Amino acid sequence: EAGVVQSPRYKIIEKKQPVAFWCNPISGHNTLYWYLQNLGQGPELLIRYENEEAVDDSQLPKDRFSAERLKGVDSTLKIQPAELGDSAVYLCASSPGGGIGAGELFFGEGSRLTVL
Amino acid sequence: KNQVEQSPQSLIILEGKNCTLQCNYTVSPFSNLRWYKQDTGRGPVSLTIMTFSENTKSNGRYTATLDADTKQSSLHITASQLSDSASYICVVTEFGNEKLTFGTGTRLTIIP
Repeated sequence: EAGVVQSPRYKIIEKKQPVAFWCNPISGHNTLYWYLQNLGQGPELLIRYENEEAVDDSQLPKDRFSAERLKGVDSTLKIQPAELGDSAVYLCASSPGGGIGAGELFFGEGSRLTVL
Repeated sequence: KNQVEQSPQSLIILEGKNCTLQCNYTVSPFSNLRWYKQDTGRGPVSLTIMTFSENTKSNGRYTATLDADTKQSSLHITASQLSDSASYICVVTEFGNEKLTFGTGTRLTIIP
């Protein structure tokens, strides 16, 4: 079974430029998460989807970040314009959700963003 | 505010030795606690899950314990191997809304 697929793995851009990350979750997983991870820190939630619905986007900086999950499968996270402080790893995770599965996240390899 | 604190922040041990990582949390109500292993440049991978009624759970050389009364968990690694070098992250799930709180991780380095 294929895992969570993210692209690109690495991205280097200049500040004020836009950037987009793509995530394909594990088939059948209704819950999808985007996390931001700084070096030496734990992941921080940006947004959580249940199917197409964003059920928790309270930590998403909406002035420059946007996300979508069309048809409840793939998801895209966009930053426009990027700032120096956005340099980090952006992790996508999916989960079967609910019951004993609650908290069982399957992560992608991450997209490492460097803003110059 | 729900918090998960891990200690130590980093640890260096010799190959073959044992070690124990700690996790204290304030998440309430509690659903479950997971330990994840994150290799450098990779996404985290789940090692164990502990629910309220479980005290100990093993996964090979990894043994997790949970004391729900004191809200503490530990991850014990036996006979460490070079491949155990990674960050270990404790994640607690809140009951009801399935909200996750991540610790900042312990960076473990195994030296030959």
